[in-house]
Amino acid sequence: GQNIDQPTEMTATEGAIVQINCTYQTSGFNGLFWYQQHAGEAPTFLSYNVLDGLEEKGRFSSFLSRSKGYSYLLLKELQMKDSASYLCAVRDSNYQLIWGAGTKLIIKP
Amino acid sequence: ETGVTQTPRHLVMGMTNKKSLKCEQHLGHNAMYWYKQSAKKPLELMFVYSLEERVENNSVPSRFSPECPNSSHLFLHLHTLQPEDSALYLCASSQEGPGSSYEQYFGPGTRLTVT
Repeated sequence: GQNIDQPTEMTATEGAIVQINCTYQTSGFNGLFWYQQHAGEAPTFLSYNVLDGLEEKGRFSSFLSRSKGYSYLLLKELQMKDSASYLCAVRDSNYQLIWGAGTKLIIKP
Repeated sequence: ETGVTQTPRHLVMGMTNKKSLKCEQHLGHNAMYWYKQSAKKPLELMFVYSLEERVENNSVPSRFSPECPNSSHLFLHLHTLQPEDSALYLCASSQEGPGSSYEQYFGPGTRLTVT
């Protein structure tokens, strides 16, 4: 079966750095996405990785290792507004997205 | 309006009612999706329409019936639902084809409660 694993919840301090991991086992791989979802709102796109390595976008970076079936989202200089759920999703061989259950990130002052 | 819109935002219905959820995308995309989001569970893909043809139906009960009259509009018709169908229903759209990242854009969702 297809499976995406990510931690259920993480806590970090304002101004710090946090890394959210995602491991996957899917039938084929055509890219990995990270989305942010604030409580009661729609998921919004953060990043897309299809090749191995690090993609940096401002305070957020995403890393991919296809051989290990592993990705992480790195958030720097954390702000209170970063409190949200972070969803990892992999596009499989049929180009459909397989979603993780999300990681709820709590930022403390 | 821009992006993906959904109506209604909240819906409470009895198990014998019939209602419809509406989604509209203003992005010129050629694919639309219905997802179910329950607490602490992964997003569940329900239906996919590409170029107005249904291409995915993930064993969804027949009490959910999708309709895609054109590439900008998507409906989810509901009838004789069960309490376990209470969830957030999200609509999304994307552009499919060569050179596309297939990034999905989501609407705000309809919070459905079945009593």
